[in-house]
Amino acid sequence: NAGVTQTPKFRILKIGQSMTLQCAQDMNHNYMYWYRQDPGMGLKLIYYSVGAGITDKGEVPNGYNVSRSTTEDFPLRLELAAPSQTSVYFCASSYSRRQFTDTQYFGPGTRLTVL
Amino acid sequence: QKEVEQDPGPLSVPEGAIVSLNCTYSNSAFQYFMWYRQYSRKGPELLMYTYSSGNKEDGRFTAQVDKSSKYISLFIRDSQPSDSATYLCAMSGMDSSYKLIFGSGTRLLVRP
Repeated sequence: NAGVTQTPKFRILKIGQSMTLQCAQDMNHNYMYWYRQDPGMGLKLIYYSVGAGITDKGEVPNGYNVSRSTTEDFPLRLELAAPSQTSVYFCASSYSRRQFTDTQYFGPGTRLTVL
Repeated sequence: QKEVEQDPGPLSVPEGAIVSLNCTYSNSAFQYFMWYRQYSRKGPELLMYTYSSGNKEDGRFTAQVDKSSKYISLFIRDSQPSDSATYLCAMSGMDSSYKLIFGSGTRLLVRP
């Protein structure tokens, strides 16, 4: 059981480039989330998904897109990368949306730098 | 003003000390309170959660919520070097349970 996996671990992008951050989970969880973590700012929700084919915006969705074609995968797409998107990105999953009673499992993160 | 405030630390204590980590918040609608532990270069992991006011104990860890003061605490007894990590508080309300609001985290260092 690998849990939540994320690739790549590190990436440097030039301004204006695009990339996809991959996230996969093997726990058959319905709910998946993307967060970004900036120094001194805590975790902020970018997008979330309640199941295959269903996604919705979180707190900071601008500049990002997501898709959920399978239960296992939840990729995050950055179009036209900007320096403000330099951050650590975490993917998480949970069995239900009740985050307060159901453990949310986080991946190891992707460190992205936009220069 | 941030919705959730947390002292970034670092907090350095000797092994065996009692550690107190705290968060204050401004939104009185928050009902669910969580503590996450995050080791360096790892993802956060859920440590404890509580609903509304009161205390909850789990081994060496005690979570405390005071809704009247909008203040939550995490106590660690008999702290160990392996407790060295960043501790994030998080909270949510009944109407938007999927939207966790995180504190910025307190870095804890337990010295052997």
